[in-house]
Amino acid sequence: AQRVTQPEKLLSVFKGAPVELKCNYSYSGSPELFWYVQYSRQRLQLLLRHISRESIKGFTADLNKGETSFHLKKPFAQEEDSAMYYCALNFNKFYFGSGTKLNVKP
Amino acid sequence: GAGVSQTPSNKVTEKGKYVELRCDPISGHTALYWYRQSLGQGPEFLIYFQGTGAADDSGLPNDRFFAVRPEGSVSTLKIQRTERGDSAVYLCASSLLSGGRVYNEQFFGPGTRLTVL
Repeated sequence: AQRVTQPEKLLSVFKGAPVELKCNYSYSGSPELFWYVQYSRQRLQLLLRHISRESIKGFTADLNKGETSFHLKKPFAQEEDSAMYYCALNFNKFYFGSGTKLNVKP
Repeated sequence: GAGVSQTPSNKVTEKGKYVELRCDPISGHTALYWYRQSLGQGPEFLIYFQGTGAADDSGLPNDRFFAVRPEGSVSTLKIQRTERGDSAVYLCASSLLSGGRVYNEQFFGPGTRLTVL
């Protein structure tokens, strides 16, 4: 069963526009959710985790248990945000979504 | 300090051959993970080590896949009788705290791109 769903393969926005990368998960308990990012020619790295309720590089993500979602948002996208973004669920092991490629156009 | 390293960066082999992929985790990290990433997909969990022992190997697709971590540091993923479907990027990650339900950060290596002809 697919534990983490990222419905968009590609998301293109213009610089300065708001961006939302969608993530839905399937888990009945208390989830541990993360967003990982992979910039071009770099390795996968942690962007943020829901437990920290932090904002990293202007990105935030709110856990909505009712909708089983953990969407990633940024009010004003920058060109340097262009990358692959993966949502991940951890319970005993990590389940990754298939990823969304964010393309921020100048 | 040095991050997670993986060797080789690329491996091309023929169907039916045996391959070994190596992962050097960050020094002191007790947890080590192997993932497989196929084109257009996210990383797929294979196996997780806590120290020297495999705490969870439920992601290994079949008995052609095996991984070891004899001294609790370097790990080797071994694939026997390779098939074309094994072609993928194999990622390794390590973390300082134990896996499972701990809010630990995984640090990923650059991956090994395996191509089976």
